Amino acid sequence: KNEVEQSPQNLTAQEGEFITINCSYSVGISALHWLQQHPGGGIVSLFMLSSGKKKHGRLIATINIQEKHSSLHITASHPRDSAVYICAVPAGGSQGNLIFGKGTKLSVKP
Amino acid sequence: SAVISQKPSRDICQRGTSLTIQCQVDSQVTMMFWYRQQPGQSLTLIATANQGSEATYESGFVIDKFPISRPNLTFSTLTVSNMSPEDSSIYLCSVEGRGRGGNEQFFGPGTRLTVL
Repeated sequence: KNEVEQSPQNLTAQEGEFITINCSYSVGISALHWLQQHPGGGIVSLFMLSSGKKKHGRLIATINIQEKHSSLHITASHPRDSAVYICAVPAGGSQGNLIFGKGTKLSVKP
Repeated sequence: SAVISQKPSRDICQRGTSLTIQCQVDSQVTMMFWYRQQPGQSLTLIATANQGSEATYESGFVIDKFPISRPNLTFSTLTVSNMSPEDSSIYLCSVEGRGRGGNEQFFGPGTRLTVL
């Protein structure tokens, strides 16, 4: 069974800082998800990537399949980026059966 | 993309009662997924709901406790039966669809359930 580890668990940054959140997994996968969970509980899918790098606005996600590692970067961070960021990988079996990391709680101070 | 709505957004229920959560998608999808997130924990898949067939439950979840309906390709319900305080969680439905970067997982806003 795949195991997903995220670091750091908590992160506090000043507005404008460059932020990196890391995710490691134990078993080879076809794709990895990065999700954002707002304080109210709602979840937004940020990226699904299987290789290389994807960029959307100030968010960049990278994955190294060989090293079983992915990073999520936020450039020029802003208080509205404050949320929990979760990575998830397929568990096999059901198509939507994802194994989720415990999340990184990001707080960006103005 | 897929836009998902859930009802109710939150509820406070008494022990022993049942609550039905509705999930509506703005497009037709083959499979809908129900997740639970207990306080301070990661999300866990409860079951996969296919239209026209019985839901497939993950280990640790049973139909009697979490009956699911899937009457059409845009709608599903999850019932939390005979609730206890341990059922206090956020319940989310999810679908897979086409996003800006290919296939993505879309999540509803969640239903925050508190059982007293």
